[in-house]
Amino acid sequence: DAKTTQPNSMESNEEEPVHLPCNHSTISGTDYIHWYRQLPSQGPEYVIHGLTSNVNNRMASLAIAEDRKSSTLILHRATLRDAAVYYCILRDTNRDDKIIFGKGTRLHILP
Amino acid sequence: DSGVTQTPKHLITATGQRVTLRCSPRSGDLSVYWYQQSLDQGLQFLIHYYNGEERAKGNILERFSAQQFPDLHSELNLSSLELGDSALYFCASSVGSGINTGELFFGEGSRLTVL
Repeated sequence: DAKTTQPNSMESNEEEPVHLPCNHSTISGTDYIHWYRQLPSQGPEYVIHGLTSNVNNRMASLAIAEDRKSSTLILHRATLRDAAVYYCILRDTNRDDKIIFGKGTRLHILP
Repeated sequence: DSGVTQTPKHLITATGQRVTLRCSPRSGDLSVYWYQQSLDQGLQFLIHYYNGEERAKGNILERFSAQQFPDLHSELNLSSLELGDSALYFCASSVGSGINTGELFFGEGSRLTVL
């Protein structure tokens, strides 16, 4: 079963920042936090991942709480093309053979 | 283009039949993962192979089986099909396994419809 909890859906306005939350209260010390997204009619794609520190890449930023029990994916300026299902998953670096996705958050972008 | 190829893209069949879904991983990737995505459901993990060996199983039905061949392509076999097996089946590949898994790259999926 998924070890993360995400809201079922969220809405945001185009060109506004979006903060997608994820709770992972049972995270262990060897779990990395990964985010993937699934655009309509496509397979999921990697977005970003982190362990303890905040991370930035060209797609998004990942803010990780100090106690690591929650994280937030930040899209700095949402576009219509960012409408997708966003999955937050935990990956144990010691036992990475099962990679479990939950139902994710469906992000709607309003023009 | 993720580099992962899945065939067929669409498949329509009848209850009780058997189908085979095929996945070619990205060049150099040794791991293959299979997922099932039904309507309004998230991605359900089915099975993971690494370099020809089964590494992990999820809630995969006994009617389903998979294998990874020496050339690293993988096949998912679904038999005695039921209406509820209608879903999108995704394959993903990664470089390694365990601590060396790396990023997952997903194919575009095979849409199975059972009538």
